[in-house]
Amino acid sequence: GENVEQHPSTLSVQEGDSAVIKCTYSDSASNYFPWYKQELGKGPQLIIDIRSNVGEKKDQRIAVTLNKTAKHFSLHITETQPEDSAVYFCAASFYGGSQGNLIFGKGTKLSVKP
Amino acid sequence: SQTIHQWPATLVQPVGSPLSLECTVEGTSNPNLYWYRQAAGRGLQLLFYSVGIGQISSEVPQNLSASRPQDRQFILSSKKLLLSDSGFYLCAWRGKGIMNTEAFFGQGTRLTVV
Repeated sequence: GENVEQHPSTLSVQEGDSAVIKCTYSDSASNYFPWYKQELGKGPQLIIDIRSNVGEKKDQRIAVTLNKTAKHFSLHITETQPEDSAVYFCAASFYGGSQGNLIFGKGTKLSVKP
Repeated sequence: SQTIHQWPATLVQPVGSPLSLECTVEGTSNPNLYWYRQAAGRGLQLLFYSVGIGQISSEVPQNLSASRPQDRQFILSSKKLLLSDSGFYLCAWRGKGIMNTEAFFGQGTRLTVV
């Protein structure tokens, strides 16, 4: 089955700096890669996703890149703000004729220092 | 709009006691339903998923079971809790079909087994 590795487990940056979180996946059949943000005491929420037919997607300060050959994808947050502090999870899944389950990485705790 | 309800928010139970966590979804029909456990340093681990009433698939062997007695109701149970069952339990739903990729999470239940 699918296995997702996520690094780093913790990341501390100064406000205004960029943050990068990296994930690798094992199943070449996976074609959908979302990123979720979890604030303290809450359930995760989708912030951005990418499908395997594109290499990069951007939404304001957040971008995701995908390298299918290497089977890795990354989350980039620019101009970080204190409200970006949270735990971020990457995930991988197959979607097609049937819907595969989302398999998550272990999470990255991002701290943005003002 | 769709909403997901999960309760209780926190629970402290003695070892050997039974467990019942409930999750309900509103505003959608025939969703895929999921139970995840979040333990420190282990990310989001998929425990059970269900594609329909009475249809339960288990991802990991454990002391827990799940049931789906109604279309939008998902229950996580245990007959006798272990200390290792402590964690943050999250219920989630996804719509069916290849375009319904996003998972929507409940607010979670913090279970402490003492």
